[in-house]
Amino acid sequence: GAGVSQSPRYKVAKRGQDVALRCDPISGHVSLFWYQQALGQGPEFLTYFQNEAQLDKSGLPSDRFFAERPEGSVSTLKIQRTQQEDSAVYLCASSLTPGQGRSYEQYFGPGTRLTVT
Amino acid sequence: KNQVEQSPQSLIILEGKNCTLQCNYTVSPFSNLRWYKQDTGRGPVSLTIMTFSENTKSNGRYTATLDADTKQSSLHITASQLSDSASYICVVSASNDYKLSFGAGTTVTVRA
Repeated sequence: GAGVSQSPRYKVAKRGQDVALRCDPISGHVSLFWYQQALGQGPEFLTYFQNEAQLDKSGLPSDRFFAERPEGSVSTLKIQRTQQEDSAVYLCASSLTPGQGRSYEQYFGPGTRLTVT
Repeated sequence: KNQVEQSPQSLIILEGKNCTLQCNYTVSPFSNLRWYKQDTGRGPVSLTIMTFSENTKSNGRYTATLDADTKQSSLHITASQLSDSASYICVVSASNDYKLSFGAGTTVTVRA
């Protein structure tokens, strides 16, 4: 497909379980972002990759959150020992260029809704 | 404090009516402002983008305005349709940052 895809679309985890969320960005897109979106809120930045390099992980809420993009394309967000407060929609976005300006646009995937019970 | 504030939080309108959503921001230095539409269970999709020098931009029945002096933007929906039911998010980009600043969104419900 031409857009950003994410899997799974829905995930239910018991508290304490580990989960892995996958993002397939648009082919050729240099930048990849992960966001956490709570119900009724806008997305909150988690982490940013430029190709395979994780340049910013300042938004990751704890050391239980880990993201990787080993070959500069597909990315995985892993959450260890999930807690109820981790329940949210996790959005992935990609952009063609790493910079700013009018042409800089992030394209979002459909998100993974994580529910921790 | 969030750098992008949206109002109202939610609104309900009848099909065929118009509505206007507001966005105030403090992001600086300003690069551009986008309005995104997010359908339930989907990712946000860009509707309009405006830079500092642009004060209005249309996309079909959606018209966005920008006042860079007062740091305010609005999104006007004309002749609303049931398919306009969604969350509308104001997103501001700073010229020195790859990060985007998101508003909390306005949830619009269009009723027949």
